[in-house]
Amino acid sequence: EVQLVESGGGLVQPGGSLRLSCAASGFTFSSSWMHWVRQAPGKGLVWVSRMNTDGSSTTYADSVKGRFTISRDYAKNTLYLQMNSLRVEDTAVYYCVQNLLTTREGGDHWGQGTLVTVSS
Amino acid sequence: QSVLTQPPSASGTPGQRITISCSGSSSNIGSKTVNWYQQLPGTAPKLLIYSNNQRPSGVPARFSGSKSGTSASLAISGLQSEDEADYFCASSDGSLNVVVFGGGTKLTVL
Repeated sequence: EVQLVESGGGLVQPGGSLRLSCAASGFTFSSSWMHWVRQAPGKGLVWVSRMNTDGSSTTYADSVKGRFTISRDYAKNTLYLQMNSLRVEDTAVYYCVQNLLTTREGGDHWGQGTLVTVSS
Repeated sequence: QSVLTQPPSASGTPGQRITISCSGSSSNIGSKTVNWYQQLPGTAPKLLIYSNNQRPSGVPARFSGSKSGTSASLAISGLQSEDEADYFCASSDGSLNVVVFGGGTKLTVL
């Protein structure tokens, strides 16, 4: 069974930094594209970033480009999102997603999310 | 403003069939596959439909998806009270090279 467990969220002041983690299990981590998707309170889903299977390619939404960095540790089967220069508008629940929009049987899998609150 | 357009709300009575639309463009829905997600209050999104019309194991057959041109639809037949939730569509955008979501549709079961 695929399991994705996010952690690292919390309260941070504007301009601060936070690193989110996503512990993955139940699938071959090195064969999966991994994504971060966020959802501001009461709002819709917004894609944030993705990394390909071997880590050689990363893509970011314009709203976080230059501030957020996605990475992964294959030995620990863990995905990360380093968030710097945080803004109030970055406040959201952040979800880790395996193989978002894949056409493979079974489709994609989501974690339960971790809440990031940016406030003074 | 979301790249994919959904109606903000929909409603139906128990047993009824309803559809939720998702409108995009040639660079996303018109050339890429569409997923649909259900989100109950306070929970993570749950995959309902992938690859336009495929249901993951465990999703009831009363949920179905379709796509035509630059639009997609989610149909729910035999509406039940537990279907009351937010529904989101998603696709890739080949021009923007990103994943795009609809703004979500809040379904109310009357």
